[in-house]
Amino acid sequence: AQKVTQAQTEISVVEKEDVTLDCVYETRDTTYYLFWYKQPPSGELVFLIRRNSFDEQNEISGRYSWNFQKSTSSFNFTITASQVVDSAVYFCALSEEVDAGNMLTFGGGTRLMVKP
Amino acid sequence: DAGITQSPRHKVTETGTPVTLRCHQTENHRYMYWYRQDPGHGLRLIHYSYGVKDTDKGEVSDGYSVSRSKTEDFLLTLESATSSQTSVYFCAISYGPPNEQFFGPGTRLTVL
Repeated sequence: AQKVTQAQTEISVVEKEDVTLDCVYETRDTTYYLFWYKQPPSGELVFLIRRNSFDEQNEISGRYSWNFQKSTSSFNFTITASQVVDSAVYFCALSEEVDAGNMLTFGGGTRLMVKP
Repeated sequence: DAGITQSPRHKVTETGTPVTLRCHQTENHRYMYWYRQDPGHGLRLIHYSYGVKDTDKGEVSDGYSVSRSKTEDFLLTLESATSSQTSVYFCAISYGPPNEQFFGPGTRLTVL
């Protein structure tokens, strides 16, 4: 069965620091998809990125970047020059191709607190 | 933003009472999902639907049932609510594998 582990339950940084959120996954499928979602204090879930298992290129979007490494089963998320507005809970999730329902398995989340 | 609404947004009920939560979408997505969010567990799938009248169980389906009679509506029913079902419930929609899911605003349910 698939599993997603976010070992960091809480991280606190000072504004402008860089921060990396770790995500480690387990799956027996060769084709799978990884996702990151953001949940700000207002409570909604915001989709950030989807990556498939055949695309190991790192991705950068503004201050956000993602490092996908199949060799270590990790899909880590880095925020460069953090801002107070980045304060949120971040979830990593996994979906397997064999699963026709496209169900997401979520990690427990990492709460990021960015202090001014 | 995906057009997803959930009702009610907050509900307090007593143990043993039936509760129905509604998810409504205006995006014509085929797939709809119900998750619950509890501290330390992230989100866990309760049930999902892959079409009108087509549903299947998720990881934590015991004590819950669902129905989908129209593309736009997905109902989650707690036949006899228990305190362990106190949680925040999220509905999500998707075009289907391998696409991302878009989430509704959530319903906070408290069972006393």
